[in-house]
Amino acid sequence: QLQLQESGPGLVKPSETLSLTCTVSGGSISSSSYYWGWIRQPPGKGLEWIGSIYYSGNTYYNPSLKSRVTISVDTSKNQFSLRLTFVTAADTAVYYCARARASDGDFFNWGQGTLVTVSS
Amino acid sequence: QSALTQPASVSGSPGQSITISCTGTSSDVGGYNFVSWYQQHPGKAPKLMIYDVSNRPSGVSNRFSGSQSGNTASLSISGLQAEDEADYYCSSYASRSTFWVFGGGTKLTVL
Repeated sequence: QLQLQESGPGLVKPSETLSLTCTVSGGSISSSSYYWGWIRQPPGKGLEWIGSIYYSGNTYYNPSLKSRVTISVDTSKNQFSLRLTFVTAADTAVYYCARARASDGDFFNWGQGTLVTVSS
Repeated sequence: QSALTQPASVSGSPGQSITISCTGTSSDVGGYNFVSWYQQHPGKAPKLMIYDVSNRPSGVSNRFSGSQSGNTASLSISGLQAEDEADYYCSSYASRSTFWVFGGGTKLTVL
């Protein structure tokens, strides 16, 4: 059974870089059938797609975050990662990693999410 | 401001049916058959309930159904149960530059 697990610091200072990793188990991140994505949810608010990556390394980013976001994949570790630079309080959110079908982009599988707070 | 517009809340009594709307534009909902719906209980990760407008993933109750007319997609739930009380989000593909957008979410209350 596929499982996704987010990991990384729960507290980041303003203007610094947020870094999270998603470890995939029960399935290969190198499958050509899927994209791997990051979605976030500020406390009490809705979902926001951050970006997605294909196993080949092709990336797709939310235009509103594109200048600050980098998503990468490490097929040897079955992991993919998120970097968000120059964070502010507005970046405080629960960050989810998820798997989407390459055919339609729907997120069938989600991690449990991890809260990242931006504060000094 | 979310790209897709949903009502903030809907409610219904057990056994009744409800519908949640998701309004976009011809650049997203109306332009593609890639609308999906997610259910989220408090403190939990979202769960895919409907994909590609009207398809149910394996294991999702047939009480959940999806449809689309023009720039508006809809999620219907029949035979409401207490466990259906949750937040529901729509999502749509929105071109090769914007990619994916979500609605603002709808809180379903089962009275």
